[in-house]
Amino acid sequence: DAGVTQTPRHEVAEKGQTIILKCEPVSGHNDLFWYRQTKIQGLELLSYFRSKSLMEDGGAFKDRFKAEMLNSSFSTLKIQPTEPKDSAVYLCASSPGTGDQAPLFGEGTRLSVL
Amino acid sequence: GDSVTQTEGLVTLTEGLPVMLNCTYQTIYSNPFLFWYVQHLNESPRLLLKSFTDNKRTEHQGFHATLHKSSSSFHLQKSSAQLSDSALYYCALTGGYKVVFGSGTRLLVSP
Repeated sequence: DAGVTQTPRHEVAEKGQTIILKCEPVSGHNDLFWYRQTKIQGLELLSYFRSKSLMEDGGAFKDRFKAEMLNSSFSTLKIQPTEPKDSAVYLCASSPGTGDQAPLFGEGTRLSVL
Repeated sequence: GDSVTQTEGLVTLTEGLPVMLNCTYQTIYSNPFLFWYVQHLNESPRLLLKSFTDNKRTEHQGFHATLHKSSSSFHLQKSSAQLSDSALYYCALTGGYKVVFGSGTRLLVSP
């Protein structure tokens, strides 16, 4: 079964660069989540989409983080401009959105900002 | 809004001892789904257990949990810890909208 696909798996950026992370959710899933994970903060919700509509955009991340879902099978997370404190693992997850709603996570993108 | 509380940030155990990781929640929904996720080093979180039914024990891979709506709890238990259980564990909740995760509990099992 196809799971959630995230690309790239690793990204290294210079401070001030623009980076775009990509996510392909499980086919048929209606909900898509972007999370940032650090050792200190744990899982932080960046964005939440339901049926391609943005339902929540994490308040603390609005200024430099922008998630989009142009179609039901593809989402992007843009960070512009990057800062060293953005170094983290970025996780995408999708879920059916009804009934059993356990999100399935992708393998994540590890971002290092120098 | 909904919230999940995991009171222990770190639990250290000796192999063979029982495991109990605490999870309590707050929600306006009368029929929430509760989940436990496990995340091993350099992996992403994966679903370990889920429950919807009040007072019914659910089990998977030696772990079990029972949803108690009266106390808004969904504690994770295992009778005997193994070295391979060392991981980060997240409790999560959904009432039909977004999924809310707790802050996570790191379990370290030593020989």
